[in-house]
Amino acid sequence: KAGVTQTPRYLIKTRGQQVTLSCSPISGHRSVSWYQQTPGQGLQFLFEYFSETQRNKGNFPGRFSGRQFSNSRSEMNVSTLELGDSALYLCASTYLDSYNEQFFGPGTRLTVL
Amino acid sequence: QKEVEQNSGPLSVPEGAIASLNCTYSDRGSQSFFWYRQYSGKSPELIMFIYSNGDKEDGRFTAQLNKASQYVSLLIRDSQPSDSATYLCAAPDPGNQFYFGTGTSLTVIP
Repeated sequence: KAGVTQTPRYLIKTRGQQVTLSCSPISGHRSVSWYQQTPGQGLQFLFEYFSETQRNKGNFPGRFSGRQFSNSRSEMNVSTLELGDSALYLCASTYLDSYNEQFFGPGTRLTVL
Repeated sequence: QKEVEQNSGPLSVPEGAIASLNCTYSDRGSQSFFWYRQYSGKSPELIMFIYSNGDKEDGRFTAQLNKASQYVSLLIRDSQPSDSATYLCAAPDPGNQFYFGTGTSLTVIP
């Protein structure tokens, strides 16, 4: 079974631009969560989508948004990029059974110049 | 505020020794706990999860859970240099929002 895929793997943008990241979960997984990981802050939860609905949201500004499509694929958008948005953005998918194991994709490394 | 806390380390152990990684959590409602391994520059990889008090073994890894003490640990037996990584502890809430610790950096010295 294929794992979680994320595109692109690397991205370089300049301040003020916007970016869209994509995540395809493991087949059959309907929950997709997004995280930001930086050396200083560790893994920080952005939001979680299930059945095209945002169920949970972390403490991030409104510049960070996301959506999920009917095939469970998800996109994350960051508008008006700031230098501090440079990070590894991770997507994780969950089957949502008794154990709710969460599996991560390889991540998108975003650099904002 | 739900919190998951880990000693950041670094933790160094000689090859062949037992590495012990610890995690405490604040939410008494947490039912399951996950351990992830993250190599430098890579994404977290799920090692194992535990949801019942006591021990759960998987190969060289043993997870231990004590809900009364709100404490979960990971033991790595016969540590290998390839085990050198950052280990993350995580606890989801009933809504599937995962709370991660900041991770413990482990170095296994050959």
